[in-house]
Amino acid sequence: RKEVEQDPGPFNVPEGATVAFNCTYSNSASQSFFWYRQDCRKEPKLLMSVYSSGNEDGRFTAQLNRASQYISLLIRDSKLSDSATYLCVVKGNQAGTALIFGKGTTLSVSS
Amino acid sequence: GAVVSQHPSRVICKSGTSVKIECRSLDFQATTMFWYRQFPKQSLMLMATSNEGSKATYEQGVEKDKFLINHASLTLSTLTVTSAHPEDSSFYICSARDLKGGGPYEQYFGPGTRLTVT
Repeated sequence: RKEVEQDPGPFNVPEGATVAFNCTYSNSASQSFFWYRQDCRKEPKLLMSVYSSGNEDGRFTAQLNRASQYISLLIRDSKLSDSATYLCVVKGNQAGTALIFGKGTTLSVSS
Repeated sequence: GAVVSQHPSRVICKSGTSVKIECRSLDFQATTMFWYRQFPKQSLMLMATSNEGSKATYEQGVEKDKFLINHASLTLSTLTVTSAHPEDSSFYICSARDLKGGGPYEQYFGPGTRLTVT
């Protein structure tokens, strides 16, 4: 089983749509969780951290369910500029541990 | 914010040659740097963890004699792909961990190096 698994995608949605991405992780000891965004041929950029209480940043809402080892990202009112690959990322609980990336889900928003 | 640079951004080399990629933390000190590789339509895969002043820790399946890592200072780590072959063509990305640590921004990514081996 892969450490981080995501919806295969791609997601093709019209502008203004709401889209949700799901992710599961296998290591129950994981302590930190993130969503990254990666544009084509670029490095990944942190979109937001994910907290157990759930957190929202504008049109983006992230949720974490530790019991089921499940992470989600909801994007409301999709914009053309949201088109990218969204990476689910987890990190262990030790200093200096690397980030473990999911394969990513590609989102394409069209007008 | 913290900046990590990589050089070169793109390199094309012939099979059998060696290529060195530099990763620098420009405005912070990094005791730990990570090297990732990303093939087309695949996720970033951790290759190795580089600690300043000590040997790198390689992930399973990554040949340490082929991918030489040196982390000689708190701001520089290098990855040398030795005797490169076409299957080594990939996007190589480094990230650096701020010495002070903590918070979601504790790792900062470089812009990546696209290696093409002909």
